[in-house]
Amino acid sequence: AQSVSQHNHHVILSEAASLELGCNYSYGGTVNLFWYVQYPGQHLQLLLKYFSGDPLVKGIKGFEAEFIKSKFSFNLRKPSVQWSDTAEYFCAVNRNAGNMLTFGGGTRLMVKP
Amino acid sequence: DTEVTQTPKHLVMGMTNKKSLKCEQHMGHRAMYWYKQKAKKPPELMFVYSYEKLSINESVPSRFSPECPNSSLLNLHLHALQPEDSALYLCASSPWGAGNTIYFGEGSWLTVV
Repeated sequence: AQSVSQHNHHVILSEAASLELGCNYSYGGTVNLFWYVQYPGQHLQLLLKYFSGDPLVKGIKGFEAEFIKSKFSFNLRKPSVQWSDTAEYFCAVNRNAGNMLTFGGGTRLMVKP
Repeated sequence: DTEVTQTPKHLVMGMTNKKSLKCEQHMGHRAMYWYKQKAKKPPELMFVYSYEKLSINESVPSRFSPECPNSSLLNLHLHALQPEDSALYLCASSPWGAGNTIYFGEGSWLTVV
């Protein structure tokens, strides 16, 4: 069965530290990959997505992610985090031909001011 | 602000009650979704509607009954729920087709007592 794994469940960083959140998926076909963010008490918002072309994608708020097909990975990065980045981050993968997202378990990021 | 509107934001219901969750979007999207999110867990897909027709039912118990009256509205009818059904219920919408962004509502917090 297809799955999405986020290995870091909780991450605590100080402001200005660099961030990398891991995401691996198990699916042999063509995939579309997404990172969503859920700020405390708010709805899920799209940070960035990849479905073709340049494997390094840039999203909102200074986030970027790199698709490495050989490693089945789509890690999220940000060079310098801010306190306002405190949130839960979900990696997700498209399955089938439609938009049925499978989410990873989420990573809860806390940024200390 | 999300363009997917969900009501009510909070609902408390007894196990013998019948209630409904409502969702509305005016982005012209022809795919609409219901997801269930338990605390500290990722969203799990329940139903997908494509062009007002139910296309995916992820083996959801029949005490959850979705309805799509038109292209802008999606309901989730609830009857004879169990306490373990308490969760955040997320509605989402997107253009139909792979790679499109799925837009989420803020969710309806459901507590079954």
